[in-house]
Amino acid sequence: DTGVSQDPRHKITKRGQNVTFRCDPISEHNRLYWYRQTLGQGPEFLTYFQNEAQLEKSRLLSDRFSAERPKGSFSTLEIQRTEQGDSAMYLCASSSPYGISYNEQFFGPGTRLTVL
Amino acid sequence: EDQVTQSPEALRLQEGESSSLNCSYTVSGLRGLFWYRQDPGKGPEFLFTLYSAGEEKEKERLKATLTKKESFLHITAPKPEDSATYLCASMNSGGSNYKLTFGKGTLLTVNP
Repeated sequence: DTGVSQDPRHKITKRGQNVTFRCDPISEHNRLYWYRQTLGQGPEFLTYFQNEAQLEKSRLLSDRFSAERPKGSFSTLEIQRTEQGDSAMYLCASSSPYGISYNEQFFGPGTRLTVL
Repeated sequence: EDQVTQSPEALRLQEGESSSLNCSYTVSGLRGLFWYRQDPGKGPEFLFTLYSAGEEKEKERLKATLTKKESFLHITAPKPEDSATYLCASMNSGGSNYKLTFGKGTLLTVNP
Protein backbone atom coordinates (compact mmCIF):
# COMPACT_ATOMS: atom_id res chain seq x y z
CA ASP A 1 0.00 0.00 0.00
CA THR A 2 1.90 3.01 -1.29
CA GLY A 3 -0.42 5.79 -0.10
CA VAL A 4 -1.81 8.78 -1.99
CA SER A 5 0.70 10.53 -4.24
CA GLN A 6 0.51 14.00 -5.76
CA ASP A 7 2.52 15.68 -8.47
CA PRO A 8 4.08 18.19 -8.56
CA ARG A 9 4.84 18.92 -4.92
CA HIS A 10 5.47 22.59 -5.66
CA LYS A 11 4.35 24.84 -8.51
CA ILE A 12 5.21 28.48 -9.07
CA THR A 13 3.37 30.22 -11.87
CA LYS A 14 2.56 33.69 -13.11
CA ARG A 15 -0.89 35.19 -12.89
CA GLY A 16 -2.99 34.24 -15.89
CA GLN A 17 -1.24 30.94 -16.61
CA ASN A 18 -2.96 27.56 -16.50
CA VAL A 19 -1.76 24.82 -14.12
CA THR A 20 -2.64 21.14 -13.75
CA PHE A 21 -2.10 18.89 -10.74
CA ARG A 22 -2.25 15.11 -10.59
CA CYS A 23 -3.37 12.81 -7.79
CA ASP A 24 -2.91 9.03 -7.64
CA PRO A 25 -5.13 7.53 -4.92
CA ILE A 26 -4.54 4.40 -2.88
CA SER A 27 -5.20 1.49 -5.21
CA GLU A 28 -8.79 0.22 -5.12
CA HIS A 29 -10.06 3.33 -3.29
CA ASN A 30 -13.07 4.33 -5.35
CA ARG A 31 -13.65 7.69 -3.64
CA LEU A 32 -11.37 10.64 -4.35
CA TYR A 33 -11.51 14.17 -2.93
CA TRP A 34 -9.81 17.48 -3.59
CA TYR A 35 -9.36 20.06 -0.82
CA ARG A 36 -7.66 23.44 -0.65
CA GLN A 37 -5.81 24.71 2.42
CA THR A 38 -4.54 28.24 3.05
CA LEU A 39 -2.22 29.29 5.85
CA GLY A 40 -3.77 29.01 9.29
CA GLN A 41 -6.94 27.34 8.01
CA GLY A 42 -8.19 23.78 7.86
CA PRO A 43 -8.64 22.10 4.48
CA GLU A 44 -11.75 23.18 2.53
CA PHE A 45 -13.65 20.74 0.32
CA LEU A 46 -13.50 21.39 -3.42
CA THR A 47 -14.86 18.32 -5.20
CA TYR A 48 -15.57 14.59 -4.87
CA PHE A 49 -15.45 11.62 -7.24
CA GLN A 50 -16.91 8.18 -6.82
CA ASN A 51 -15.17 6.07 -9.43
CA GLU A 52 -15.15 8.29 -12.55
CA ALA A 53 -18.27 10.28 -11.64
CA GLN A 54 -17.87 13.76 -10.17
CA LEU A 55 -20.69 13.79 -7.62
CA GLU A 56 -20.28 17.14 -5.93
CA LYS A 57 -18.51 20.46 -6.40
CA SER A 58 -18.14 23.17 -3.78
CA ARG A 59 -19.26 26.75 -4.36
CA LEU A 60 -15.53 27.51 -3.91
CA LEU A 61 -14.86 25.81 -7.24
CA SER A 62 -15.27 28.62 -9.77
CA ASP A 63 -15.60 27.94 -13.49
CA ARG A 64 -11.83 28.41 -13.79
CA PHE A 65 -11.39 25.11 -11.94
CA SER A 66 -12.03 21.74 -13.52
CA ALA A 67 -11.36 18.24 -12.25
CA GLU A 68 -11.43 14.88 -13.96
CA ARG A 69 -10.98 11.27 -13.01
CA PRO A 70 -10.85 9.24 -16.22
CA LYS A 71 -11.45 5.51 -15.78
CA GLY A 72 -11.83 6.00 -12.04
CA SER A 73 -8.11 5.89 -11.35
CA PHE A 74 -5.91 9.00 -11.08
CA SER A 75 -7.41 12.49 -11.01
CA THR A 76 -6.34 15.87 -12.37
CA LEU A 77 -7.25 19.33 -11.12
CA GLU A 78 -6.78 22.19 -13.60
CA ILE A 79 -6.88 25.87 -12.78
CA GLN A 80 -7.21 28.21 -15.74
CA ARG A 81 -6.16 31.87 -15.74
CA THR A 82 -4.63 31.62 -12.27
CA GLU A 83 -5.08 34.48 -9.82
CA GLN A 84 -2.99 35.37 -6.76
CA GLY A 85 -5.90 34.25 -4.57
CA ASP A 86 -5.44 30.71 -5.90
CA SER A 87 -2.16 30.41 -3.99
CA ALA A 88 -2.69 27.57 -1.52
CA MET A 89 -1.91 23.94 -0.76
CA TYR A 90 -4.06 21.63 -2.88
CA LEU A 91 -4.68 18.32 -1.13
CA CYS A 92 -6.00 15.08 -2.53
CA ALA A 93 -7.50 12.30 -0.42
CA SER A 94 -8.99 8.89 -1.11
CA SER A 95 -11.19 6.48 0.79
CA SER A 96 -12.91 3.15 0.49
CA PRO A 97 -16.51 2.40 1.49
CA TYR A 98 -15.50 -1.06 2.71
CA GLY A 99 -13.43 -2.73 5.41
CA ILE A 100 -12.08 -1.52 8.72
CA SER A 101 -11.01 1.81 7.18
CA TYR A 102 -14.62 2.60 6.27
CA ASN A 103 -14.96 6.31 5.34
CA GLU A 104 -11.48 7.19 6.54
CA GLN A 105 -9.84 9.60 4.14
CA PHE A 106 -6.11 9.32 3.56
CA PHE A 107 -4.38 12.42 2.31
CA GLY A 108 -1.49 12.91 -0.04
CA PRO A 109 1.44 15.26 0.62
CA GLY A 110 -0.23 18.12 -1.28
CA THR A 111 0.79 20.45 -4.09
CA ARG A 112 1.88 23.91 -2.97
CA LEU A 113 0.82 26.50 -5.59
CA THR A 114 2.30 29.98 -5.62
CA VAL A 115 0.86 32.49 -8.08
CA LEU A 116 3.09 35.51 -8.68
CA GLU B 1 -24.38 24.31 7.19
CA ASP B 2 -21.93 22.09 9.08
CA GLN B 3 -19.51 23.91 11.37
CA VAL B 4 -16.46 22.78 13.34
CA THR B 5 -14.74 25.00 15.91
CA GLN B 6 -11.49 24.04 17.60
CA SER B 7 -9.96 25.49 20.74
CA PRO B 8 -7.50 26.65 21.75
CA GLU B 9 -5.93 27.94 18.53
CA ALA B 10 -2.48 27.29 19.99
CA LEU B 11 -1.24 25.41 23.04
CA ARG B 12 2.21 25.25 24.56
CA LEU B 13 3.01 22.40 26.94
CA GLN B 14 6.06 21.22 28.79
CA GLU B 15 7.11 17.66 28.10
CA GLY B 16 5.03 15.40 30.34
CA GLU B 17 2.31 18.02 30.94
CA SER B 18 -1.03 16.43 29.96
CA SER B 19 -3.84 18.47 28.41
CA SER B 20 -6.88 18.31 26.12
CA LEU B 21 -7.87 19.85 22.81
CA ASN B 22 -11.52 20.69 22.13
CA CYS B 23 -13.59 20.30 18.97
CA SER B 24 -17.18 21.58 18.90
CA TYR B 25 -19.30 20.56 15.95
CA THR B 26 -22.68 21.45 14.50
CA VAL B 27 -24.06 19.00 12.00
CA SER B 28 -27.58 17.89 11.08
CA GLY B 29 -26.58 14.25 11.31
CA LEU B 30 -23.15 12.88 12.17
CA ARG B 31 -21.70 10.14 10.01
CA GLY B 32 -18.33 10.40 11.75
CA LEU B 33 -15.94 12.70 13.61
CA PHE B 34 -12.32 12.54 12.49
CA TRP B 35 -9.01 13.62 14.02
CA TYR B 36 -5.89 14.28 11.96
CA ARG B 37 -2.36 15.38 12.73
CA GLN B 38 -0.60 17.74 10.31
CA ASP B 39 3.11 18.56 10.29
CA PRO B 40 4.28 21.76 8.55
CA GLY B 41 4.24 21.50 4.76
CA LYS B 42 2.68 18.02 4.77
CA GLY B 43 -0.75 16.52 4.23
CA PRO B 44 -2.96 15.59 7.19
CA GLU B 45 -2.24 12.21 8.77
CA PHE B 46 -5.26 10.20 9.91
CA LEU B 47 -5.51 9.50 13.65
CA PHE B 48 -9.04 8.46 14.71
CA THR B 49 -12.65 8.11 13.63
CA LEU B 50 -15.47 8.30 16.19
CA TYR B 51 -19.00 7.37 15.18
CA SER B 52 -21.25 7.73 18.21
CA ALA B 53 -21.47 9.59 21.52
CA GLY B 54 -19.60 7.82 24.29
CA GLU B 55 -17.09 6.23 21.94
CA GLU B 56 -13.38 6.47 22.84
CA LYS B 57 -10.26 5.52 20.90
CA GLU B 58 -6.62 5.47 21.96
CA LYS B 59 -3.28 5.46 20.22
CA GLU B 60 -0.07 5.78 22.20
CA ARG B 61 -0.33 9.05 24.18
CA LEU B 62 -3.54 10.19 22.44
CA LYS B 63 -7.14 9.44 23.37
CA ALA B 64 -10.15 10.79 21.50
CA THR B 65 -13.65 10.98 22.99
CA LEU B 66 -17.01 12.02 21.58
CA THR B 67 -20.20 13.57 22.95
CA LYS B 68 -23.25 14.76 21.04
CA LYS B 69 -21.75 18.23 20.58
CA GLU B 70 -18.01 17.95 21.22
CA SER B 71 -14.96 15.81 20.82
CA PHE B 72 -11.82 15.95 22.90
CA LEU B 73 -8.30 14.86 22.08
CA HIS B 74 -6.52 14.08 25.32
CA ILE B 75 -2.73 14.07 25.26
CA THR B 76 -1.08 12.24 28.15
CA ALA B 77 2.56 12.96 29.04
CA PRO B 78 3.33 14.53 25.65
CA LYS B 79 6.77 14.46 24.06
CA PRO B 80 8.35 17.06 21.75
CA GLU B 81 7.60 14.82 18.75
CA ASP B 82 3.89 15.31 19.44
CA SER B 83 4.28 18.92 18.32
CA ALA B 84 2.01 19.45 15.29
CA THR B 85 -1.31 20.95 14.25
CA TYR B 86 -4.24 18.75 15.22
CA LEU B 87 -7.29 18.98 12.97
CA CYS B 88 -10.82 17.88 13.72
CA ALA B 89 -13.40 17.24 10.97
CA SER B 90 -17.03 16.18 10.77
CA MET B 91 -18.74 14.11 8.09
CA ASN B 92 -22.47 14.64 7.56
CA SER B 93 -24.70 11.62 7.28
CA GLY B 94 -26.96 13.24 4.69
CA GLY B 95 -26.77 12.44 0.99
CA SER B 96 -24.02 10.65 -0.86
CA ASN B 97 -21.22 13.18 -0.36
CA TYR B 98 -18.61 12.02 2.09
CA LYS B 99 -16.79 15.33 2.34
CA LEU B 100 -15.05 16.42 5.54
CA THR B 101 -15.72 19.79 7.17
CA PHE B 102 -12.59 20.83 9.05
CA GLY B 103 -11.90 23.18 11.92
CA LYS B 104 -8.95 25.55 11.78
CA GLY B 105 -6.85 23.29 13.96
CA THR B 106 -4.92 23.56 17.22
CA LEU B 107 -1.19 24.19 16.97
CA LEU B 108 0.44 22.15 19.72
CA THR B 109 4.01 22.85 20.80
CA VAL B 110 5.65 20.57 23.35
CA ASN B 111 8.84 21.94 24.86
CA PRO B 112 11.54 19.58 26.19
